[in-house]
Amino acid sequence: AQTVTQSQPEMSVQEAETVTLSCTYDTSESNYYLFWYKQPPSRQMILVIRQEAYKQQNATENRFSVNFQKAAKSFSLKISDSQLGDTAMYFCAFIMEYGNKLVFGAGTILRVKS
Amino acid sequence: DAGVIQSPRHEVTEMGQEVTLRCKPISGHNSLFWYRQTMMRGLELLIYFNNNVPIDDSGMPEDRFSAKMPNASFSTLKIQPSEPRDSAVYFCASSFVDVTDTQYFGPGTRLTVL
Repeated sequence: AQTVTQSQPEMSVQEAETVTLSCTYDTSESNYYLFWYKQPPSRQMILVIRQEAYKQQNATENRFSVNFQKAAKSFSLKISDSQLGDTAMYFCAFIMEYGNKLVFGAGTILRVKS
Repeated sequence: DAGVIQSPRHEVTEMGQEVTLRCKPISGHNSLFWYRQTMMRGLELLIYFNNNVPIDDSGMPEDRFSAKMPNASFSTLKIQPSEPRDSAVYFCASSFVDVTDTQYFGPGTRLTVL
């Protein structure tokens, strides 16, 4: 079974600094999709970034970027110039190319301090 | 564009009562998902519809839970009879084509069963 591990239950960062959230996954498949979702206190699940495993280039969305290391099965999220509004729970998620279920990690609580 | 719409946002009921949660997916999306989020178990997929047909309901906890999608713009998740252990946040999500597409989540329904 596919699993997603987020080893950092909680993290904090000063406003305007950079923080990296880690995520590892376990699969024997070669084609799959990876996601980072953000859940702020409002509890709305918001897509942050999506990565296709067949793409070598790391996905980027404004201040958010990923470091996708396929061989290491690692998919970390870097947040640059952290803002107070980035305070949220961040979930890493994985699905196989022909899978039928998005598998979520346990989440990392990120607190941005002023 | 309107996102995924869920109602009610909060529901408080007593054990044994029937509970119906409602979802309107994003217009044009062909897949719909029901998730449950709890502290103990995290985010769990309950059921996945594609073109209004249930594709995977292996996550539905027991016969007390049922889900329907009578048309492309509406789905319900029903719990009958409800139990205190059903207390959770229930999310509906939709995607354009299938489960490997980016899933867009609704705001969730917080269910409390007393």
